[in-house]
Amino acid sequence: DGGITQSPKYLFRKEGQNVTLSCEQNLNHDAMYWYRQDPGQGLRLIYYSQIVNDFQKGDIAEGYSVSREKKESFPLTVTSAQKNPTAFYLCASSRPGQGVYNSPLHFGNGTRLTVT
Amino acid sequence: QQQVKQSPQSLIVQKGGISIINCAYENTAFDYFPWYQQFPGKGPALLIAIRPDVSEKKEGRFTISFNKSAKQFSLHIMDSQPGDSATYFCAARAFAGGTSYGKLTFGQGTILTVHP
Repeated sequence: DGGITQSPKYLFRKEGQNVTLSCEQNLNHDAMYWYRQDPGQGLRLIYYSQIVNDFQKGDIAEGYSVSREKKESFPLTVTSAQKNPTAFYLCASSRPGQGVYNSPLHFGNGTRLTVT
Repeated sequence: QQQVKQSPQSLIVQKGGISIINCAYENTAFDYFPWYQQFPGKGPALLIAIRPDVSEKKEGRFTISFNKSAKQFSLHIMDSQPGDSATYFCAARAFAGGTSYGKLTFGQGTILTVHP
């Protein structure tokens, strides 16, 4: 079955350490996205990418970095510069080109990052 | 800043009742309004979506009502079931080409509990 795989499901890190969250998709989708979810705040866009080797900042990119070396993969690095990194991180993908109303976001099951 | 305001934060409904969740927005450039359903520990999944040129869309027990002049839209869940217990997010998108397919602005979320 096609889908988005995020690993690990739970991640614990000490403050001051960088950590990389994995996101892999086999949906053959061109566009990939990272959202952050905090209780009572909905989801907020961190970074997004339409094609390999190209990505743009979302609304809350500070303290994060990404790469897109392969179509299937879009890892997110949470750096020590991110002031409040503890959150639930969601990776998503979509397939542009199917029309603006036919390209819904497909989400992975998230990684819960706890930094202490 | 683009915002989507969602209410209520939490909702308790008896089995068989109607669940109603409301969202309001300010940005008139929004052109796509999806609703996502999220179960604990999972990523959100698209439930139903509407375009601004339509006032109502129904899929099974789920209906979106859209009021363009009031800049409001709502999700109605008829005959609510315990299996509908989840967090619901409204969202909106202002399409600007390319990667903006997946650039959604989310509401804060509503935790729905349906009692048997």
